[in-house]
Amino acid sequence: RKEVEQDPGPFNVPEGATVAFNCTYSNSASQSFFWYRQDCRKEPKLLMSVYSSGNEDGRFTAQLNRASQYISLLIRDSKLSDSATYLCVVKGTSGTYKYIFGTGTRLKVLA
Amino acid sequence: DVKVTQSSRYLVKRTGEKVFLECVQDMDHENMFWYRQDPGLGLRLIYFSYDVKMKEKGDIPEGYSVSREKKERFSLILESASTNQTSMYLCASRSGTGIYIQYFGAGTRLSVL
Repeated sequence: RKEVEQDPGPFNVPEGATVAFNCTYSNSASQSFFWYRQDCRKEPKLLMSVYSSGNEDGRFTAQLNRASQYISLLIRDSKLSDSATYLCVVKGTSGTYKYIFGTGTRLKVLA
Repeated sequence: DVKVTQSSRYLVKRTGEKVFLECVQDMDHENMFWYRQDPGLGLRLIYFSYDVKMKEKGDIPEGYSVSREKKERFSLILESASTNQTSMYLCASRSGTGIYIQYFGAGTRLSVL
């Protein structure tokens, strides 16, 4: 089993749709969680950190479920500009420098 | 804004050449990283540096070395480039405290022929 797993997609959704991605992780001691966005042939950019209580930033909502060891990303009212690959990133225990990257979920928002 | 700058966007080298990839960050971050990204494999850590002149091997250090003589600069060296080192190389930096967000450079796409 991979340490961090994501559905590779692609998720093809119409503009205005709501789409959700999940990401599972295997190390129950993981401390920090992030969603990054990566456009084709570009670097990953932080979309949002994921907090235990869940957090929202405009159309984006991230949730953490420690009991089931997954994080989720919800995108409401999808825009064409949301088309990208979304990387789930998990950092291990406190003090570690190791980040485990998922292979990404590809989203295509269609006009 | 944090700025992480990689010296080249695209490089083409020949097998056996020594290759230097440079990365500079302007946020006084203690920690810096080199990753490679390949389709279907995600980002894999090559080396990590937690301070000047300090380094630790990541998951795939074979065939690579690093240098960190100054806090802002972290160099990745391919001692003798091979075709299986054709990849996208990403440098990242982060503060040594706080919520440990990594900031990435634009990447260097290296082709070894």
